[in-house]
Amino acid sequence: ELKVEQNPLFLSMQEEKNYTIYCNYSTTSDRLYWYRQDPGKSLESLFVLLSNGAVKQEGRLMASLDTKARLSTLHITAAVHDLSATYFCAVVKNQGGKLIFGQGTELSVKP
Amino acid sequence: GAVVSQHPSWVICKSGTSVKIECRSLDFQATTMFWYRQFPKQSLMLMATSNEGSKATYEQGVEKDKFLINHASLTLSTLTVTSAHPEDSSFYICSARDRTAYGYTFGSGTRLTVV
Repeated sequence: ELKVEQNPLFLSMQEEKNYTIYCNYSTTSDRLYWYRQDPGKSLESLFVLLSNGAVKQEGRLMASLDTKARLSTLHITAAVHDLSATYFCAVVKNQGGKLIFGQGTELSVKP
Repeated sequence: GAVVSQHPSWVICKSGTSVKIECRSLDFQATTMFWYRQFPKQSLMLMATSNEGSKATYEQGVEKDKFLINHASLTLSTLTVTSAHPEDSSFYICSARDRTAYGYTFGSGTRLTVV
């Protein structure tokens, strides 16, 4: 059974500091996704990582994928308040293309 | 980009009644639609997968007679919560594979409150 685990689940950050969220998954998958969710809203797509060693960056967020370790990281550089949200990673279950989500990491950036 | 329109955004209903949630793909054909449920402060849990023209596949523990899914066309999938109870109160989100080889587009979600 495919399991996706994120840590930490809660992250209280200071502005301008750097932090990393980790996403581990239990079985082989060829795609990993990162999403952002604001309170009361649906998901906003951040990154799709398709291969081992893939790295993508958008603004203060950078995601990477190590398929051998079954690990993805979401690195936040110089955090700002606007990044406060819940971040989910998700992995495709090969049969049927189902997305299986991690528990989510609730990020709070404080001045 | 691909858009999935989900309605209603929120609904309040009485216990024992049924509620229908619609998801429409506006500019692409969604052959497969996924339905998720999210309780407060929790992750998204996959409920079922619907394919156009065939019966939905439900995840373990999800009652297919309670959560009726219909995917009658390539642009419309519906989820009906039958005989709703307060424990069915949740945030329901649909998702479809979009036109890219690997993209998923999410609806805006429906907040269901059963009183």
